[in-house]
Amino acid sequence: DGGITQSPKYLFRKEGQNVTLSCEQNLNHDAMYWYRQDPGQGLRLIYYSQIVNDFQKGDIAEGYSVSREKKESFPLTVTSAQKNPTAFYLCASSIDLVSGGPYEQYFGPGTRLTVT
Amino acid sequence: GQNIDQPTEMTATEGAIVQINCTYQTSGFNGLFWYQQHAGEAPTFLSYNVLDGLEEKGRFSSFLSRSKGYSYLLLKELQMKDSASYLCAPHYPGSARQLTFGSGTQLTVLP
Repeated sequence: DGGITQSPKYLFRKEGQNVTLSCEQNLNHDAMYWYRQDPGQGLRLIYYSQIVNDFQKGDIAEGYSVSREKKESFPLTVTSAQKNPTAFYLCASSIDLVSGGPYEQYFGPGTRLTVT
Repeated sequence: GQNIDQPTEMTATEGAIVQINCTYQTSGFNGLFWYQQHAGEAPTFLSYNVLDGLEEKGRFSSFLSRSKGYSYLLLKELQMKDSASYLCAPHYPGSARQLTFGSGTQLTVLP
C-alpha cells in the first residue's frame, strides 16, 4: 500500500545532540513538508520541498535542516541550535505544486521527540 | 499571512449537531481543506471546497462562501469518536507552500 512512513514514533535525546527524523513516501509525490505541532496548537511549517534537490524554509526553520536527495525521502535534522525541540513532528507529501490544484496533503504518523 | 481564525474549543453532546466556523484571507484564495486530527495522531483529510455552497459527505458537511472568506464544517449525529481537533486549511496556489493550517478547533463530545 502507498503511504508515508515516519520512524521512530517516539524519540528521546539529550540536550545538545543533533537528531534526524526520517520521512519516506511511496506515493510518487513531488512535494514534501515538515510540520511541528506543540500541545493544543496547530501545525507550523518548518521546511518544504517542491522537487528533488530543492527545499525552502517555512515559518520556523531556525535550528532545523533538511535534505532532498531522493524523491521518496525528506529527512529533518533537529540541531542543537533549536532552543525548544520537544514537540510532535509531522511529515506530509502532495503531488506537484506547479500544475494547479487542489493538492491534498497526506500525513505520516508523526514522531514525538523529547529532548531532556 | 492568511489570518485564519477558528474557535479554540467547542463542546457538544452525543447525537447533536455542531458547526465549526473558519474565516480566512480571500486574496489569492482557491479553495479550503478541512482535516480531522485525533490526539497524538496525524491529520486526516475530510473535505475540500472550491465552489460556494454546501457539500455533504455522510454525517459531515462543509460550506464555503468565497466572497465572505468564510467556511464551516457541520457535524451531525455526533458520536464520541468525533472528539478531535478540526483544522481549517485554506489553499493559496500562488504560494509555494500551498496550504496554511489554522490552529484547530478542539471538539469534545460528551455522552
